[in-house]
Amino acid sequence: EAGVTQFPSHSVIEKGQTVTLRCDPISGHDNLYWYRRVMGKEIKFLLHFVKESKQDESGMPNNRFLAERTGGTYSTLKVQPAELEDSGVYFCASSQVSGFIGELFFGEGSRLTVL
Amino acid sequence: QKEVEQNSGPLSVPEGAIASLNCTYSDRGSQSFFWYRQYSGKSPELIMSIYSNGDKEDGRFTAQLNKASQYVSLLIRDSQPSDSATYLCAVRVGAGNMLTFGGGTRLMVKP
Repeated sequence: EAGVTQFPSHSVIEKGQTVTLRCDPISGHDNLYWYRRVMGKEIKFLLHFVKESKQDESGMPNNRFLAERTGGTYSTLKVQPAELEDSGVYFCASSQVSGFIGELFFGEGSRLTVL
Repeated sequence: QKEVEQNSGPLSVPEGAIASLNCTYSDRGSQSFFWYRQYSGKSPELIMSIYSNGDKEDGRFTAQLNKASQYVSLLIRDSQPSDSATYLCAVRVGAGNMLTFGGGTRLMVKP
């Protein structure tokens, strides 16, 4: 069974440009999460989808970040316009609706570098 | 004060020794506790979860939780070089859906 896959693995963009990160969760997992780790900091929660609905987006830093999960399958996280402080690793995770919250399966992350 | 604190390390132990990793948390409403292992450039992988005070053993791993003192620890017995990784402590507060992570402890097991 395929795990959580994320694309791209690494993106380098200029300040002010737009980047879209994609996450494909494990098939059948209704819960999808975005987390990120900026340099020297802890992994921080961004938001949580249940199917196509945003359950909790309290961790989204500002309105330059837009997450979508159309059809309840894959999700995208768009940063527009990107700022220097957005650099970091963006992790996606998924879990089954019936599972314990901690049984998150993480992807390998998308590393974003904003120059 | 950080919500979940870990010593960043590196913690260096010889092969075959016991590695002891510690984590403290600030929110007394924390309900669930998790240890993730992350190899460099790879995804965090859940290795242990613990929900009640005491010890929980799984193979070479033992998680210990003390809610009164607000700490959770992970012991790795018979440490192997393949255990060298960053270990992340994560906490779930109440019925929320988010995990709060510590900064991780880098473990190095020397042959």
